[in-house]
Amino acid sequence: DGGITQSPKYLFRKEGQNVTLSCEQNLNHDAMYWYRQDPGQGLRLIYYSQIVNDFQKGDIAEGYSVSREKKESFPLTVTSAQKNPTAFYLCASSIVSAGDQPQHFGDGTRLSIL
Amino acid sequence: DAKTTQPPSMDCAEGRAANLPCNHSTISGNEYVYWYRQIHSQGPQYIIHGLKNNETNEMASLIITEDRKSSTLILPHATLRDTAVYYCIVRVGLTGGGNKLTFGTGTQLKVEL
Repeated sequence: DGGITQSPKYLFRKEGQNVTLSCEQNLNHDAMYWYRQDPGQGLRLIYYSQIVNDFQKGDIAEGYSVSREKKESFPLTVTSAQKNPTAFYLCASSIVSAGDQPQHFGDGTRLSIL
Repeated sequence: DAKTTQPPSMDCAEGRAANLPCNHSTISGNEYVYWYRQIHSQGPQYIIHGLKNNETNEMASLIITEDRKSSTLILPHATLRDTAVYYCIVRVGLTGGGNKLTFGTGTQLKVEL
């Protein structure tokens, strides 16, 4: 079945450690996105990419990095510079076209600090 | 970004229609209204979207007022599995394509027997 796969489902980070969250899609979508969700809050955009080898900062990019070497993959690295990384991270993808196209989401990775 | 306002919670009896309101009084003429829902600890699920006309799909109906300042999502026959947080979003287009979805805190819909 086509969809978006995020792994791992749960991740623990030690102080000062970088961790990478995986996001893979087989929907042949051009655009991919990373969001962060804190308890009881909505989603906030971290980074997005509309084409391979190109990506843009969202609203809360500080302390995060991404890469887009393949169309189907958009990994997110939470660096040690992110002082409050505990959150639920969601990856999404969409078609890029002249018309409006919905984003489709994975089931998320929950990151916690040890 | 156009801001949306939703009630924090609503209850609905199973089998009845659930009508979820949303105000978006600052919406621009070319901005779409999107609805998603999120069941605890899962990713948001797309429901429906529209610009100015009413829309219907297999999940729900979307009624947008003529002045586009508010909309209502209708789940015609709510079931227990429809219990979730429902988000009304006005999407912002990104340069080069794709769109940015700014999620608020949504409406917690609880469907009860």
